[in-house]
Amino acid sequence: DVKVTQSSRYLVKRTGEKVFLECVQDMDHENMFWYRQDPGLGLRLIYFSYDVKMKEKGDIPEGYSVSREKKERFSLILESASTNQTSMYLCASNPTAGVDYNEQFFGPGTRLTVL
Amino acid sequence: AQRVTQPEKLLSVFKGAPVELKCNYSYSGSPELFWYVQYSRQRLQLLLRHISRESIKGFTADLNKGETSFHLKKPFAQEEDSAMYYCALTGPHSGYSTLTFGKGTMLLVSP
Repeated sequence: DVKVTQSSRYLVKRTGEKVFLECVQDMDHENMFWYRQDPGLGLRLIYFSYDVKMKEKGDIPEGYSVSREKKERFSLILESASTNQTSMYLCASNPTAGVDYNEQFFGPGTRLTVL
Repeated sequence: AQRVTQPEKLLSVFKGAPVELKCNYSYSGSPELFWYVQYSRQRLQLLLRHISRESIKGFTADLNKGETSFHLKKPFAQEEDSAMYYCALTGPHSGYSTLTFGKGTMLLVSP
């Protein structure tokens, strides 16, 4: 069973704080993704990574950065959290070959509240 | 630019009624289309993809290239089908790496 885990289910931070969201997958997937999920807006891609130390901007990268030092781990960083970054953050991964090719497997999500 | 449109935010039906969740897309090329589902307090998961041409939990979806649609259908809705449904696409422009999601449709099935 593919498992994607996220470090926190709920997180409360203050405006201006630096925030780290961690994601780990245990299936040796090449691709990893960070989305934010907002009511009425669906899922929007923040960043993705197709290999260690490689990253690509998604649709809404402003205010975020990412780090992928190991294949299984993909971190999302909010350099200076703001209230408009209050959201549900979803991590996902997918392989680039095999029977699950192209299917994205999602983590449980981290609900971040910025006060 | 690629785009996925789900025109209904909320679809409310009674148990046993037919269900159709609409999805239209805009893409220049040959996309792959998916439906993802998120049940209450569960993680988002793949429901079906058009290239599989299979029925999952009684749901089917046919890719209509002429109408650029990928509507999700089920002849008889069940209460356990209540969930948020997202239509998504990928294609050669992104190397089939990234998904573009619609805004989602909440399906509520009442007893």
